[in-house]
Amino acid sequence: ETGVTQTPRHLVMGMTNKKSLKCEQHLGHNAMYWYKQSAKKPLELMFVYSLEERVENNSVPSRFSPECPNSSHLFLHLHTLQPEDSALYLCASSPETGGGTEAFFGQGTRLTVV
Amino acid sequence: AQTVTQSQPEMSVQEAETVTLSCTYDTSESDYYLFWYKQPPSRQMILVIRQEAYKQQNATENRFSVNFQKAAKSFSLKISDSQLGDAAMYFCAYRSVSGGYQKVTFGTGTKLQVIP
Repeated sequence: ETGVTQTPRHLVMGMTNKKSLKCEQHLGHNAMYWYKQSAKKPLELMFVYSLEERVENNSVPSRFSPECPNSSHLFLHLHTLQPEDSALYLCASSPETGGGTEAFFGQGTRLTVV
Repeated sequence: AQTVTQSQPEMSVQEAETVTLSCTYDTSESDYYLFWYKQPPSRQMILVIRQEAYKQQNATENRFSVNFQKAAKSFSLKISDSQLGDAAMYFCAYRSVSGGYQKVTFGTGTKLQVIP
């Protein structure tokens, strides 16, 4: 059982729809991340939340809107997406402190925009 | 900015044989961490092995070991006695020491096929 759970696993949405991706972790971590994984490209870090505050936004279009209501939950709200936004969206969490600790990933949401 | 390069989009290995996946990186920092992650068809990224740059000794985890060449900025992964369950995408990743949260840079990945 993964420590980081993402729902839904698959999502197909039209360009005019509004949907949300959910991520949940019960590892006691204080930092959570959204990554975008496209074929043949490196994972792209989209957003970072540390102690429920957004600390990084890597020039992500405003049609992606993150929300972190508490340290265990992270959402990615989607609206008026484009076909090129189709990708695997991965959530991860990690302890707040530095050191060699790694991030723990969820299984991702496979998003298809039609 | 740091970059991570994996020059082998795909590799294959016979079951029980050994395979080495390549990774190079570029950084101006002297202290950092390097990781190899595995992403099987289930899509969950799983940490395989980590290396601290200040440690000269190469990290080893059971059948997985790395060849860390700091001067050459090279970080290859060796998988010994390959098993069918090793088939997956493998990502090399770099992490700066500074900062509480993880600013990790990933490579493009190497797809490993294990042939029975």
